[in-house]
Amino acid sequence: GAVVSQHPSRVICKSGTSVKIECRSLDFQATTMFWYRQFPKQSLMLMATSNEGSKATYEQGVEKDKFLINHASLTLSTLTVTSAHPEDSSFYICSAGSDRYQETQYFGPGTRLLVL
Amino acid sequence: DAKTTQPPSMDCAEGRAANLPCNHSTISGNEYVYWYRQIHSQGPQYIIHGLKNNETNEMASLIITEDRKSSTLILPHATLRDTAVYYCIVGGSASKLTFGTGTRLQVTL
Repeated sequence: GAVVSQHPSRVICKSGTSVKIECRSLDFQATTMFWYRQFPKQSLMLMATSNEGSKATYEQGVEKDKFLINHASLTLSTLTVTSAHPEDSSFYICSAGSDRYQETQYFGPGTRLLVL
Repeated sequence: DAKTTQPPSMDCAEGRAANLPCNHSTISGNEYVYWYRQIHSQGPQYIIHGLKNNETNEMASLIITEDRKSSTLILPHATLRDTAVYYCIVGGSASKLTFGTGTRLQVTL
């Protein structure tokens, strides 16, 4: 199957700073990438869908100005958590789909964010 | 997207087959059944998916009922490394996936 990577795997930051998380498809071109968030003992919640070269579509309740998504190339999408606060501490996971793997999404390993 | 119902937890002895059920009675004709699993603190891992026919790969088998309202994921010989939360999801091809609470499978010696 396809390989999706995320960087960093873990980040600790101070409240008020911004954090950028990268999601890369390593062996295929990802026309669509999805960003999820998972709080402890909960399931994954979709935050937004991004298509290469166009604006991301955010799920209801997700602030687009706080969670900036850029999908500038077919192998890279970034999620920037702006002015992070402790309540943004969570496990952020991306997934990627493509024309090559038309029916399936493959997930990255996740990024654990801790905001102090 | 159609909603799925799974038992919250199951146990399975190592070496035995693990049969994980999923109900998806409101599935529509063009929606696939996907199975993913999540081992603690990792991203979800794709297992298998199907539309109408039963499917098998190196990880598991997927049995879908003829009316498509339910399915069963079969891990033929469970090992301790198969301990994880298993998610059954229905959705369109290449569309967003809505995760439920899944089944926590505990494989024991």
